[in-house]
Amino acid sequence: AQTVTQSQPEMSVQEAETVTLSCTYDTSENNYYLFWYKQPPSRQMILVIRQEAYKQQNATENRFSVNFQKAAKSFSLKISDSQLGDTAMYFCAFITTSGTYKYIFGTGTRLKVLA
Amino acid sequence: GAVVSQHPSWVICKSGTSVKIECRSLDFQATTMFWYRQFPKQSLMLMATSNEGSKATYEQGVEKDKFLINHASLTLSTLTVTSAHPEDSSFYICSARPALGTGVGAKNIQYFGAGTRLSVL
Repeated sequence: AQTVTQSQPEMSVQEAETVTLSCTYDTSENNYYLFWYKQPPSRQMILVIRQEAYKQQNATENRFSVNFQKAAKSFSLKISDSQLGDTAMYFCAFITTSGTYKYIFGTGTRLKVLA
Repeated sequence: GAVVSQHPSWVICKSGTSVKIECRSLDFQATTMFWYRQFPKQSLMLMATSNEGSKATYEQGVEKDKFLINHASLTLSTLTVTSAHPEDSSFYICSARPALGTGVGAKNIQYFGAGTRLSVL
């Protein structure tokens, strides 16, 4: 079975500092996609970043970057220069390129950015 | 960007009544839509996968007669909670996967609605 694990239920970081959220997954598939979604207090799910498993280069989106280690099945999210608006629940998600296109979500990490 | 509209955002109903929640893809066609349920401080739990023109596929443990899903067009899926009871109170979220060839978004991304808070009295 495919699983996604986020081992940090809660984290906090000082404004302007850097924080890393961890995510590991388990699959026997070779082709898949990984995502980080942000859910702020409004509860709207917002895509933060996306990584294709066949690409070795780590994805980056402005202050957000990932460390994708395929062999270790690890997909961590680094947030640089943290801002108060980054306070949210962050979910790691996984999808295979075949089959039902269902997301498998991790349990989430609640991130609080402190002023 | 791709926008998914979910309506209503909040509904309060009496026990025993039915509630319909709509999920619309506003600027793209979606052959597949997904319905999730989210309890407070928890992750999203997939309830069912809805494909246009066919019956929905429900996840294990989800009562298909309780949660009726209809995906009648490429831009609209509805979730009806029938004979709602207080235990059905929750946050329901839909998402849509753009149809292939539409050129919308990147591959395999789901676009989410803003969610519906259901409170059953």
